[in-house]
Amino acid sequence: SQTIHQWPATLVQPVGSPLSLECTVEGTSNPNLYWYRQAAGRGLQLLFYSVGIGQISSEVPQNLSASRPQDRQFILSSKKLLLSDSGFYLCAWSVRTTLNTEAFFGQGTRLTVV
Amino acid sequence: GQQVMQIPQYQHVQEGEDFTTYCNSSTTLSNIQWYKQRPGGHPVFLIQLVKSGEVKKQKRLTFQFGEAKKNSSLHITATQTTDVGTYFCAGPGSARQLTFGSGTQLTVLP
Repeated sequence: SQTIHQWPATLVQPVGSPLSLECTVEGTSNPNLYWYRQAAGRGLQLLFYSVGIGQISSEVPQNLSASRPQDRQFILSSKKLLLSDSGFYLCAWSVRTTLNTEAFFGQGTRLTVV
Repeated sequence: GQQVMQIPQYQHVQEGEDFTTYCNSSTTLSNIQWYKQRPGGHPVFLIQLVKSGEVKKQKRLTFQFGEAKKNSSLHITATQTTDVGTYFCAGPGSARQLTFGSGTQLTVLP
């Protein structure tokens, strides 16, 4: 069966520090991968999505970047965190087909920038 | 680009009352999905609708896809405290990336 791992679960980082969040998927190949951010009590904002290794599409200009060094690994990074980067970061995967299929989410990372 | 709007943003109901959330897209959707996020948790897939006018039921939950495939609704009959959470609709973007609506946060008062 397929599983998605996302870590860490919580993170407190000072302003100006770097960030690296990692997400890995097991049990499937060639997945679509997503990074979403959710502010407290708000909706899911799509940050990045990837349809293959090295293929990253950015939805919004921001202080963050993403990379997909391996088929089932998706990394969210920042060189210098801002206070506004605080939020709940969710990684998700879906089967890559011609039609949309359901997305499976990781447990999320609660990031607080202080 | 494609936008998915969802109303209401918040809804408080007494246990046993019905609840409905609506989702509207600026463009025609090939399909629409619904997710539920419990407080403190991650979104979990509920259902996908594909056909124009499609209606699907899951126990007390009824999902509808509009005839024009631009809107959808989720109706819960006789809410229970276990229904608490945020309900999201989601549709495919121009590159089939999954774009979520703003969500409706449901509170069920016992």
